[in-house]
Amino acid sequence: SAVISQKPSRDICQRGTSLTIQCQVDSQVTMMFWYRQQPGQSLTLIATANQGSEATYESGFVIDKFPISRPNLTFSTLTVSNMSPEDSSIYLCSVETFGTDTDTQYFGPGTRLTVL
Amino acid sequence: QKEVEQNSGPLSVPEGAIASLNCTYSDRGSQSFFWYRQYSGKSPELIMFIYSNGDKEDGRFTAQLNKASQYVSLLIRDSQPSDSATYLCAARRAGTASKLTFGTGTRLQVTL
Repeated sequence: SAVISQKPSRDICQRGTSLTIQCQVDSQVTMMFWYRQQPGQSLTLIATANQGSEATYESGFVIDKFPISRPNLTFSTLTVSNMSPEDSSIYLCSVETFGTDTDTQYFGPGTRLTVL
Repeated sequence: QKEVEQNSGPLSVPEGAIASLNCTYSDRGSQSFFWYRQYSGKSPELIMFIYSNGDKEDGRFTAQLNKASQYVSLLIRDSQPSDSATYLCAARRAGTASKLTFGTGTRLQVTL
């Protein structure tokens, strides 16, 4: 499996500000994803980060609120814009690796965001 | 109806017993199924996946898939206190660019 790091690991932000989360992988991967996990809930896919093109967003998530960059095959950023307390959540980066049986996703350590 | 459903628990089992975690899915196009373990405050960790009907064993873990019943389960033999965590079931459709749909997870407590 790939080694995935995220920065920052946690942050406390004021409403109306923006935070950019970085995801770094130790090897080139084709697929990178961003998820959100709100307190006590399961994972919700925000978007697929596409290398060299615009991210593909899931229903309920828009580029203006969650702009994503993917400049190369090992790095991606997610920005949470104009934050409100409802954005308080854990944000997780995941990558997909190709296997002989099936492709599998592995998660980074997450970024715990609190918006005041 | 949620696409992937799990009982939230907690499921409490004594140390050494078999823990049985269940998951049902509504999309018959789902092809692959994944079990993740998530400790409190940590990110999900892949335990195993299954895509063929029947059983798949990996150490103390056995995944079971029944596509006719749209049912996936994870058995943990010889449960240990370190197995106490939330277990997330995820399903993936064929040809959907790898999108995983997660259930809400089952919290497992292994008691001494």
